[in-house]
Amino acid sequence: KAGVTQTPRYLIKTRGQQVTLSCSPISGHRSVSWYQQTPGQGLQFLFEYFSETQRNKGNFPGRFSGRQFSNSRSEMNVSTLELGDSALYLCASSLQDDNSPLHFGNGTRLTVT
Amino acid sequence: GIQVEQSPPDLILQEGANSTLRCNFSDSVNNLQWFHQNPWGQLINLFYIPSGTKQNGRLSATTVATERYSLLYISSSQTTDSGVYFCAVERSYNTDKLIFGTGTRLQVFP
Repeated sequence: KAGVTQTPRYLIKTRGQQVTLSCSPISGHRSVSWYQQTPGQGLQFLFEYFSETQRNKGNFPGRFSGRQFSNSRSEMNVSTLELGDSALYLCASSLQDDNSPLHFGNGTRLTVT
Repeated sequence: GIQVEQSPPDLILQEGANSTLRCNFSDSVNNLQWFHQNPWGQLINLFYIPSGTKQNGRLSATTVATERYSLLYISSSQTTDSGVYFCAVERSYNTDKLIFGTGTRLQVFP
């Protein structure tokens, strides 16, 4: 069974631009969540989707948004990029929305210049 | 919010040594998972262990939910065990998803 797939692996953008990251969960997994990892803040929860509905949202500004499609694939978008948005963005999927092991993709490393 | 503390922050071992990593959390949880982040950044799920003890090869984990801590044991360590180990918890009332600790960075030398 294929794992969680994230594209692209690397991305370089300039301040003010916007970016869209993609995540394909493990087949059969309906919950997809996104995390941001930075050296200073560690791993922080962004949001979680289950059956195309946002179930939970972390403490991030409205520039960060996401969505989930009927096939459970998910995208996250960051608008008006800032230097501080440079990070590793990790997507994870699980079978259910609660109490299931989380499986992460390889991440997308975003650099904002 | 819930606090998740891991110790030690750094650990250096020689191949073959055993180690214990600790995760303390400040509130009751219904979900606790251990992850290993390899040098290439991938997070691998090691254990889903809200309570009790589990073993997987050279790794085992124990969570004592009533005392709010979890332990990860690594026996006969190998260089491939190097990386960062994270503990992550989810609170009982599910107002947030997994909250990650700051991790333990493990380096295993031959």
